[in-house]
Parts: sequence; C-alpha cells; structure tokens
Amino acid sequence: DVKVTQSSRYLVKRTGEKVFLECVQDMDHENMFWYRQDPGLGLRLIYFSYDVKMKEKGDIPEGYSVSREKKERFSLILESASTNQTSMYLCASRELADRNTGELFFGEGSRLTVL
Amino acid sequence: QKEVEQDPGPLSVPEGAIVSLNCTYSNSAFQYFMWYRQYSRKGPELLMYTYSSGNKEDGRFTAQVDKSSKYISLFIRDSQPSDSATYLCAIENNFNKFYFGSGTKLNVKP
Repeated sequence: DVKVTQSSRYLVKRTGEKVFLECVQDMDHENMFWYRQDPGLGLRLIYFSYDVKMKEKGDIPEGYSVSREKKERFSLILESASTNQTSMYLCASRELADRNTGELFFGEGSRLTVL
Repeated sequence: QKEVEQDPGPLSVPEGAIVSLNCTYSNSAFQYFMWYRQYSRKGPELLMYTYSSGNKEDGRFTAQVDKSSKYISLFIRDSQPSDSATYLCAIENNFNKFYFGSGTKLNVKP
C-alpha cells in the first residue's frame, strides 16, 4: 500500500518560531509537493521538487523554504512563522512518468496553528 | 479569473439520491481532468481521471467533461452516507502543474 507520511498531524507554534514539517514517501517517487489548503481557496502549491536537491517555487512560496536531501523525504520550513501561515499543509508525491492517471498521493495533512 | 471554479456547497442529500458536482474552467487547452475525494481530517485521494472530453464511469461514479462549455461534472448514483466528503475537481496543465477547485462538501443523510 502506497504511503505518504507527514510526521506531525497537529502543531501549535508562536509567531516568529521556526517550523519544520516533514514528509516521507515509500513509493520511490521522483516528484514531491507541498500544498496548503485553506477554506474557499482550495489547494495552493508552495513548492515542488522533481529530484533530490532540486526544487521549484509554486504559486505561494513567500515565507517558506524546502529541503530535499534524500529522495524519500521532503521538508517544508517556515523560517519565522506568522499568523497568516495558520493552515492545513498537505504533502504529495507522484511518479515521474505518471501522466496516465494524474494521480498525486497525499499525506494526511499537518494542521498548523500560529498564535 | 481563477483557472478552476467550484461551488463550495455544502450539499446535503438523502441516501440513494443522484448527486451532481460541477466545476468550470478557464483555459480551453486543458486536457487532463480529475476528481479527488477528501474525507474529514484526511488527505485527498484520486477518485476519477479523464483525458480530454467525454464520459468515464466507475461503479456508481461518472465523470464528464464538456470541453465546448469548459465544464466538468461528477455524478454519484445511489449515494451512500460513506460518500460524505469534500470533492475537489482538479486540472493538470503542464506536467506537475495542477489547478484545484476549492472543493464541494457533500453530506449524504441516512
């Protein structure tokens, strides 16, 4: 069974703290993504990575950075958390050549609250 | 204009009803259309995938794409309480570039 694991399901942080969100996939997928999901706004892409140490900005990268040192792990970093980063964060992965199904495999999400 | 627009609902129907969920999109060049289902406190999972136009059926679910009107639909027949979830339409433009609708929350009452 395919699996994308987000280690932290619920986090509460204070403004200005550094936050790490970890994501691990066990499917040997090349592509990994970080989205945030907010009511009425749907899923918005923050960053994606198509290979180890490679990354590309998505639609809303400001205030975020990412790290992909190993193929299976993709981390999202909030250098200095702010209240407008309170959201649900979803990690996803996808096989490189998988154009036939359009399938992104999502983790269960990390709900971050910044006070 | 957003690339994909979706009515957020919520939509409440009795068990056994036929459900119609819809999205509109802006770019007639889009070719890859998807529906994801998201249960509460879970990540989305792919439900249906359609390339180009036409219908695709899988059990009680039918996905329909009308490229002339830039309209995509998901029909659920004989809806069940277990179908209660948020349904997200999605379109893939260039590879790995997805546009998601905001989701329609469906509640099927026993």
